[in-house]
Amino acid sequence: KAGVTQTPRYLIKTRGQQVTLSCSPISGHRSVSWYQQTPGQGLQFLFEYFSETQRNKGNFPGRFSGRQFSNSRSEMNVSTLELGDSALYLCASSLLQGPEGEQYFGPGTRLTVT
Amino acid sequence: KNQVEQSPQSLIILEGKNCTLQCNYTVSPFSNLRWYKQDTGRGPVSLTIMTFSENTKSNGRYTATLDADTKQSSLHITASQLSDSASYICVVSANAGNNRKLIWGLGTSLAVNP
Repeated sequence: KAGVTQTPRYLIKTRGQQVTLSCSPISGHRSVSWYQQTPGQGLQFLFEYFSETQRNKGNFPGRFSGRQFSNSRSEMNVSTLELGDSALYLCASSLLQGPEGEQYFGPGTRLTVT
Repeated sequence: KNQVEQSPQSLIILEGKNCTLQCNYTVSPFSNLRWYKQDTGRGPVSLTIMTFSENTKSNGRYTATLDADTKQSSLHITASQLSDSASYICVVSANAGNNRKLIWGLGTSLAVNP
């Protein structure tokens, strides 16, 4: 069974631009969660989508948004990029909605904002 | 406030030696505790998931313990290998009705030297 895939793996953007990241979950998984990981903050939860609906949201500004498609693939968008948005963005898929399900992580997208 | 604290922050050991990583949490109501291994530049991979009633759980050379009374967990690595060099992250699931979340520790960075 193929694992979670994320594209692109690396991205360099400048301040003020916007970016879209993509995540394809494990086949059959309907939950996709997104995380931001920085050295000082660890993993910070962004949001979770299940069956095309956002089910849970972390404490991030509205510049961070996402969506999920009918095939469970998910995209995350960050508008008006700031230097502090430089991070590893991870997506995780799960069979179950919410934190009870075991999460399987993708390799991440390394975003650098200059 | 729900928190997960891990110690030490970093650790260097020689190949073949054992080591123990600590996780203390103040999370309520507790649902489960997980240990993840994250290789550099990769997404976290689940090692163990422990519920309230489980004291010990093993996965190969990795053994996790949980003391729900003192709210402490440890991850013991036996006969370390170079491939054990990674960050080990403790995650606690809080489940309070509609407010369910994962609380992530900052991780312990382990380096295994030859």
